[in-house]
Amino acid sequence: EPEVTQTPSHQVTQMGQEVILRCVPISNHLYFYWYRQILGQKVEFLVSFYNNEISEKSEIFDDQFSVERPDGSNFTLKIRSTKLEDSAMYFCASSGQGVGSTEAFFGQGTRLTVV
Amino acid sequence: KQEVTQIPAALSVPEGENLVLNCSFTDSAIYNLQWFRQDPGKGLTSLLLIQSSQREQTSGRLNASLDKSSGRSTLYIAASQPGDSATYLCACGRDDKIIFGKGTRLHILP
Repeated sequence: EPEVTQTPSHQVTQMGQEVILRCVPISNHLYFYWYRQILGQKVEFLVSFYNNEISEKSEIFDDQFSVERPDGSNFTLKIRSTKLEDSAMYFCASSGQGVGSTEAFFGQGTRLTVV
Repeated sequence: KQEVTQIPAALSVPEGENLVLNCSFTDSAIYNLQWFRQDPGKGLTSLLLIQSSQREQTSGRLNASLDKSSGRSTLYIAASQPGDSATYLCACGRDDKIIFGKGTRLHILP
């Protein structure tokens, strides 16, 4: 069964460093998303991406964050200068037609720890 | 702004019982509602998706209902098993994002 794959599963980084979280969405999907979950809290929307551009973003997704689809298979989230409060589980998701129409499939997550 | 609430926050029931998890949402203008399962420290597994025009969906021992007008959804689990122990998340889809509830942490006692 097709699945969303995220790497690495766990990343530890020093405050102020840049990190790139990687995702391989399901191959025929067109809509891509990043969400995050701080320990013990809700899963929160960060950004949606369609047709090589951001279609929607939350107030969390500030100038420190960026997304990219560098080739036909990968979808990345970059955090330019990490803060302690960026420590969270980051989930990538994809859907065929956008979450308003079809089911969203999530990856297993990348646990980011900023020290 | 959409708010999704799940009650109870935690639930423990003996194995074999049927149970109901509740979800409420403040904005009824949703396109769909999705139930997910999350095991500790793991990702989100989609269980059921109900489109806004539908009233319910079933998959095996799971049945999810949707009442848009009252802003409610329920997830019914029949004949619970220890393997059902997990956190169950309710999420409303609209435009280009999903808004999640905080989840119900379910523990099935063997």
